[in-house]
Amino acid sequence: DSGVTQTPKHLITATGQRVTLRCSPRSGDLSVYWYQQSLDQGLQFLIQYYNGEERAKGNILERFSAQQFPDLHSELNLSSLELGDSALYFCASSVGAIRTETQYFGPGTRLLVL
Amino acid sequence: AQKITQTQPGMFVQEKEAVTLDCTYDTSDPSYGLFWYKQPSSGEMIFLIYQGSYDQQNATEGRYSLNFQKARKSANLVISASQLGDSAMYFCAMSLTQGGSEKLVFGKGTKLTVNP
Repeated sequence: DSGVTQTPKHLITATGQRVTLRCSPRSGDLSVYWYQQSLDQGLQFLIQYYNGEERAKGNILERFSAQQFPDLHSELNLSSLELGDSALYFCASSVGAIRTETQYFGPGTRLLVL
Repeated sequence: AQKITQTQPGMFVQEKEAVTLDCTYDTSDPSYGLFWYKQPSSGEMIFLIYQGSYDQQNATEGRYSLNFQKARKSANLVISASQLGDSAMYFCAMSLTQGGSEKLVFGKGTKLTVNP
């Protein structure tokens, strides 16, 4: 158990819908990262928050947004969902934002868009 | 371009034997970190081992060791005394700076199967 929690574990929804994925980092970690893992794209970095502020942006679509709240939990919002958004979404956390820090991953949210 | 390459889509090993999973990387940044993660069929990503670019010695964590050859830009994972529970996908990752921000870039992974 990494100490990072993600809810829900599974999510099934329809095209055009909007969903919210939630992540709680390990106690004491200030950075939260979001990743998408799909069969064709592999593991892709989406976005990072550090202590409530956006720190880095990766391959995140405009239909997707995220935020980190004062209690450091984070939410990833996916809207106007398409079939291709079906993937495993991971949240990870680290103590700070230094590149050489280890990121600990949550168990993931498996999203299926029908 | 900065990237991570894992050339072995699948590897097989007998229980109790050692196995090496290959990883090469490409970066012009002098400071970077290299990580290995394990992903069992249940889906979670489990951190295994870390090597910093300035570390003089190869990292070790229990049965895991990292064969770091900086000049060759390789960071191979060695698993000693394989166990059935080691069967999983293994990902090599590198932390780097791109576009002014730092992120982890992952290889495509190697599927390891441990045979009894």
